[in-house]
Amino acid sequence: DIQMTQSPSSLSASVGDRVTITCRASQGIKNYLAWFQQKPGTAPKSLIYGGSSLQSGVPSKFSGSQSGTDFTLTISSLQPEDFGTYYCQQYASFPLTFGGGTKVEIK
Amino acid sequence: EVQLVESGGGLVQPGGSLRLSCAASGFTFSSYWMTWVRQAPGKGLEWVANINRDGSAKYYLDSVKGRFTISRDNAKNSVFLEMNSLRAEDTAVYYCASLGGSGSYPTDPWGQGTLVTVSS
Repeated sequence: DIQMTQSPSSLSASVGDRVTITCRASQGIKNYLAWFQQKPGTAPKSLIYGGSSLQSGVPSKFSGSQSGTDFTLTISSLQPEDFGTYYCQQYASFPLTFGGGTKVEIK
Repeated sequence: EVQLVESGGGLVQPGGSLRLSCAASGFTFSSYWMTWVRQAPGKGLEWVANINRDGSAKYYLDSVKGRFTISRDNAKNSVFLEMNSLRAEDTAVYYCASLGGSGSYPTDPWGQGTLVTVSS
């Protein structure tokens, strides 16, 4: 199985900060990686697919990038509505696997 | 408006069974792969199963293989998850979602989730 290691597990940042979350795959997954945002008590929201392509309606402050098996989600200017937990998921091979999540808090 | 609505969750004893349903509307259901993803209380997301457009291909998490069955009824725009021999570790909120990219990644919106609690 492909393991997805997310870091950090949590972070606290101020409004306007640039925030980066990393997801490392245990083996090559090409660009078959998606990112999701989840707020407490609600369903996940899809943000990015293909490592860097924004889902329809997702604001451009979110971006994704890749370097080998390392993937990064960046929020260019953190806003109060961006709190929540962020997850990556690889869809290169079954079983599909998620990272452990990164909880983002607003200072 | 695209919408997915799950139902069928509840409290069940270990070893029992439940059938979850996910009713889709607002899109051409038969053109999309579908997925079930679960989340145990206070834990992260875990993929459970995928089904292709006509139901001829199904994929499962190893720990549910042989116990859970994913199926779909394109005439009723619904996908199902039949869960047998339930264990305490199956306790979770179960979400359904459609898959973009020819069956690759979940797309919005996901369903609201349905809670399954396995306990005596």
